[in-house]
Parts: sequence; structure tokens; C-alpha cells
Amino acid sequence: HSVLTQPPSASGTPGQRVTISCAGSDSNIGNNHVNWFQQLPGTAPRIVIHNNNQRPSGVPDRFSGSKSGTSASLAISGLQSEDEADYYCAAWDDSMNGRVFGGGTMLTVL
Amino acid sequence: QVQLVQSGAEVRKPGASVKVSCKASGFTFTSHDFNWVRQAPGQGLEWMGWMNPDSANTGYAQKFQGRVTMSRDTSISTAYMELTDLRYEDTAVYYCAINRYYFMDVWGEGTTVTVSS
Repeated sequence: HSVLTQPPSASGTPGQRVTISCAGSDSNIGNNHVNWFQQLPGTAPRIVIHNNNQRPSGVPDRFSGSKSGTSASLAISGLQSEDEADYYCAAWDDSMNGRVFGGGTMLTVL
Repeated sequence: QVQLVQSGAEVRKPGASVKVSCKASGFTFTSHDFNWVRQAPGQGLEWMGWMNPDSANTGYAQKFQGRVTMSRDTSISTAYMELTDLRYEDTAVYYCAINRYYFMDVWGEGTTVTVSS
């Protein structure tokens, strides 16, 4: 099981705002930056949020990230059908001396 | 343009080894760290380790220490990930990714490794 805990699934209707959580501990999220990845079916992952809340160029401003203590969240507003994908959080873990991922959240646009 | 092109699918027997390559183009090969991530069928992402292509320094996830080796050939701008003592549970898609502007912001297309007797 994953060091970072995400809900296995989330859903929303077009135009809605959805939030995906990522729970960790002091050794990872509590002390290090969080990154979020989007993975469309059959493709390589793509980073959508880096350094907790920074959006890489080319990522729509509908995507936003936040961090508080040992938890982080990815929010997607104005949900669109093309947002249907798996989403993963990731952070460095000081205890494991390595990068850890969440188990992933499958987002369904109803 | 910036691109990472990985080697083709591999099939190995349990106990064997596999070496996956990741050829870089469109940027200075030694300027960005390489990461390797794998994804078992229907499962999530798993970070395996990183390599600095300039110094050849590496860092491996604890789970893979002793079985994985990350290396590079700067003359052909290619990074490698070798995994030994393969088990059925090593069946996965293996990705290379670089930290260009952000963490793992450029990815290869993935290499499928199947461990089967």
C-alpha cells in the first residue's frame, strides 16, 4: 500500500469543481513539496502541479494545488470531459530517502 | 524538440535481467536528472530512482536497492535502467522522465517488460 493516501475514485459533472486529497506524514508532505500528475488512459503521466501550488506552462488555470501540514489537495474547476484521467500525488520522503507516490485517484466526468 | 525515446518491449524469464534504454534528444543530455518510474498492470506509479547524467550519481528506492542499476552513455545521450533477478511482479511499463523545468516534466513513452516462464 502507498505511503501517500488518495481516494481511489472521484467524480463530477461538467462545469463542477472537484477536489482530490493526498494524505501523508511529517517525513514527506509535511517537510517537502508536493507534485501532481495526470495520466490519461494509455499514456505517460504529465505533471499538472509542482511545488505544491505552481502550475507548469500549458496547464489550464482550472487546475490548482494546495498544501496544509501533512496533506495536499488538487482542485479542478470547470470540469471538462478531457479531465477524465488518473491523478497521482508525489513527494520526497526523508525517512525513505526517496520519492513516493500516492495510490492514484480515478476521476470520472459524469 | 525535447524527446525521450525508449527501447522496445521485452520478455524475460524469472531470474533473468533486463536493461531498458532511454535516448534523449533536443536538449543537453548532462543538464537534467533522469528518473525511472514503473507501473504494473492496472496499478499506480512507483518511483525506482534517479541518476545525474553528468556525475553518474544515483539514488535508488529502498525496494530496488541491490537489484537496480542506473547508468548512462553520454556519447549517445542515452540513459539505462537495468533490473536483475526478475520476478513475475516486475511485469510493468517502465518510464524514464527528466526534471527539465519541473519535476519529471518530460517523459518517455514507456517500455513494457513482461516476466513470464
